[in-house]
Amino acid sequence: NAGVTQTPKFQVLKTGQSMTLQCAQDMNHEYMSWYRQDPGMGLRLIHYSVGAGITDQGEVPNGYNVSRSTTEDFPLRLLSAAPSQTSVYFCASSPVQRRGYTFGSGTRLTVV
Amino acid sequence: DAKTTQPPSMDCAEGRAANLPCNHSTISGNEYVYWYRQIHSQGPQYIIHGLKNNETNEMASLIITEDRKSSTLILPHATLRDTAVYYCIVRVDVSGNTPLVFGKGTRLSVIA
Repeated sequence: NAGVTQTPKFQVLKTGQSMTLQCAQDMNHEYMSWYRQDPGMGLRLIHYSVGAGITDQGEVPNGYNVSRSTTEDFPLRLLSAAPSQTSVYFCASSPVQRRGYTFGSGTRLTVV
Repeated sequence: DAKTTQPPSMDCAEGRAANLPCNHSTISGNEYVYWYRQIHSQGPQYIIHGLKNNETNEMASLIITEDRKSSTLILPHATLRDTAVYYCIVRVDVSGNTPLVFGKGTRLSVIA
């Protein structure tokens, strides 16, 4: 198992550009989530999904879109990048059973 | 989800037990206590979780008080590699949309 794979690992965007952060898991997990972590801060939930075709908003959803067309993939789209979206983005997945989430290694995004 | 209170930082001597406290005085009967840690800038790592009984695994022990209003994570023999931010999270764990919501955690420094 590769676990949770996030791509790219690093990205620099210009203000106003759009992009998609990729997240894939090969563990057949139902639950997937996206978090952002600003320097020196804790993780904040952006969007999450309890299964293919089902998504919901977290604490800080503005400026981001998600979709879940397959169990394996949960991409995060930045519609029009802003410097305030400079952060480290983590994707996580979990099975339906009462177990812990597995996190990816993160995507470090800088918006200039 | 119920909120948790953790000390912002703690020190522990290498080789000694690290005892990390967490208060969750408003926890509901169907909420579990989860512990995660984040080493430097890596993705968070699941450690352990429990409902009301004490739990132990290869990483740590979780002691939950009888009234469930507080818990302690115990790392029995702390090493330098255990230096991390430790998050205590309470979460309703049923087959529904209950993602993890992180607080600020405790920064544990293991000192040689």
